[in-house]
Amino acid sequence: DAGVTQSPTHLIKTRGQQVTLRCSPKSGHDTVSWYQQALGQGPQFIFQYYEEEERQRGNFPDRFSGHQFPNYSSELNVNALLLGDSALYLCASSFGWGYEQYFGPGTRLTVT
Amino acid sequence: GIQVEQSPPDLILQEGANSTLRCNFSDSVNNLQWFHQNPWGQLINLFYIPSGTKQNGRLSATTVATERYSLLYISSSQTTDSGVYFCAVEQGETSGSRLTFGEGTQLTVNP
Repeated sequence: DAGVTQSPTHLIKTRGQQVTLRCSPKSGHDTVSWYQQALGQGPQFIFQYYEEEERQRGNFPDRFSGHQFPNYSSELNVNALLLGDSALYLCASSFGWGYEQYFGPGTRLTVT
Repeated sequence: GIQVEQSPPDLILQEGANSTLRCNFSDSVNNLQWFHQNPWGQLINLFYIPSGTKQNGRLSATTVATERYSLLYISSSQTTDSGVYFCAVEQGETSGSRLTFGEGTQLTVNP
């Protein structure tokens, strides 16, 4: 039973560039949530997708956008990268919302 | 929004010792999860415990939803227990859900 997978593992980008991170949910799960974790802090909720629609959004600017595909996988896009976007980006999946969430290994993004 | 406070922020133990980690939250919640984050950043599910008590080996957790707190007990600690422990809560929403995390407890178990 495959768990949540994310790609790439690590990424280095330059300020102003755009980045796309990918997530495949755990088998049987249909809901994907994205979180940003800065160094030394707890993860912060970015948004959640269910049935290919954004259902909840945290306090993040419009530079952060996402998509969910019919196979339930998801992408997180960040435009006009800032140094402050450097963080560990975590994807979580669940069967519907309000149920136990399982996390992937994360993508570590460094913006220089 | 809801506030989640974890204590203590740091904890250093000798192998074999027991410990209790606490999570307080400021409003009613539908769900509560405990995670262990390993040095590589992976969040590992420990407990899904909106109320009551659960046990899994040397770990157990208790959530008292009416008093807005949860406790994580670690008995006979091992060096592999080291890492950051997070509590996360989810409030009922009409559409969708989100986990709100505390700042974590950094646990170091020395041999």
